[in-house]
Amino acid sequence: ILNVEQSPQSLHVQEGDSTNFTCSFPSSNFYALHWYRWETAKSPEALFVMTLNGDEKKKGRISATLNTKEGYSYLYIKGSQPEDSATYLCARYRGSTLGRLYFGRGTQLTVWP
Amino acid sequence: GAGVSQSPSNKVTEKGKDVELRCDPISGHTALYWYRQSLGQGLEFLIYFQGNSAPDKSGLPSDRFSAERTGGSVSTLTIQRTQQEDSAVYLCASSPPRQGSNQPQHFGDGTRLSIL
Repeated sequence: ILNVEQSPQSLHVQEGDSTNFTCSFPSSNFYALHWYRWETAKSPEALFVMTLNGDEKKKGRISATLNTKEGYSYLYIKGSQPEDSATYLCARYRGSTLGRLYFGRGTQLTVWP
Repeated sequence: GAGVSQSPSNKVTEKGKDVELRCDPISGHTALYWYRQSLGQGLEFLIYFQGNSAPDKSGLPSDRFSAERTGGSVSTLTIQRTQQEDSAVYLCASSPPRQGSNQPQHFGDGTRLSIL
């Protein structure tokens, strides 16, 4: 089992605050890292798929970076809004078994108005 | 277009009964995955179908669990003789035919299974 760890487990911020959280994973045999957002009562939604060391991706106020050599990825949210409240999941794609993702337990973000 | 569709959205059943969960993937997606999330746990891989290849069943937790995919489209996950520890949200996902690690997975809304 690949240990994909996410921290913190939960986070409460005020509207307008910027925040970030971490996904760490074994750096050997890296192929790709996925980030998903899972809002309550909805389906998980893909945010980013990152494959290259040093990758930076951005979608609106959300951005992510990737360091495959040290085995971590950061997700940043600038100017958090209540609608950003969700669980953010990262998952590692190992490659040797096509399609299989290994998920972390997620970071539950709550943004208070 | 239509997303991944799962049914039922909720299922409550008694311990020992069999249940069937259905997933209808996005049209044209050849890869289909089943995951589950138990309370307080991360998403756990169960099984993966890719086209006509043999499925990767390595995540199925016991022989009470089985899944099939008919005609390369709809999939059914069957749990026999359900136990309380089977209570979880069961998620289905699909992805396009291009193989490789850069394809995101598209998830359904899940089936919330509760075993009494």
